[in-house]
Amino acid sequence: QITLKESGLTLVEPTQTLTLTCTFSGFSLSTTRVSVGWIRQPPGKALEWLALIYWDDDKRYIPSLKSRLTITKDTSKNQVVLTLTNMDPVDTATYFCAHSLITSGGTLHAFDVWGQGTMVIVSS
Amino acid sequence: DIQMTQSPSSLSASVGDRVTITCRASQGIGNDLSWYQQKPGKAPKRLIYAASSLQSGVPSRFSGSGSGTEFTLTISSLQPEDFATYYCLQHNSDPWTFGQGTKVEIK
Repeated sequence: QITLKESGLTLVEPTQTLTLTCTFSGFSLSTTRVSVGWIRQPPGKALEWLALIYWDDDKRYIPSLKSRLTITKDTSKNQVVLTLTNMDPVDTATYFCAHSLITSGGTLHAFDVWGQGTMVIVSS
Repeated sequence: DIQMTQSPSSLSASVGDRVTITCRASQGIGNDLSWYQQKPGKAPKRLIYAASSLQSGVPSRFSGSGSGTEFTLTISSLQPEDFATYYCLQHNSDPWTFGQGTKVEIK
């Protein structure tokens, strides 16, 4: 059974750096064709894809935030870490991590399992 | 970036109604589209993948169709537990993009 759980500070001051950790079980990020992504959702608004890291350490970012985002993985700890620098109140949102898999037949199972999310508030 | 235009943004329906939600992509994405259901305070749950494949465990009243630029999520007979917000996601090219969501409310 695949599970993911987000953790990190829930209250961040403007200009600070947010660090979120996604700890997962039931799969390994060293397995071919597996990836973990981050998605956020401001209160009352739509989902926004932020970043994705693949088993081979390939990384993808949303262009609008690319200069502020970093995604890394620690395969031995079964964790994916997302950092977002220079936080602003507009970054207030629930942040989710989610699992994806490309099957041997080439079908991408995008975000088939999600963490519960963690609410981050940016305020002084 | 590929823009996903989802419509309607909200709808009111009664139990037993047939409901259709549409997502249009700004360029062709083949069948690289998934549908998610989200209830308040919860993480999204995947319903459909590859545009028309039903996620295991999801009731058969949910179905997806389409390819290229136009996609549809249909709920054949709306049930009380289906009142939620629905999102499409294209994963054909980076950055992956979600639709703006459709809130399904009780009439």
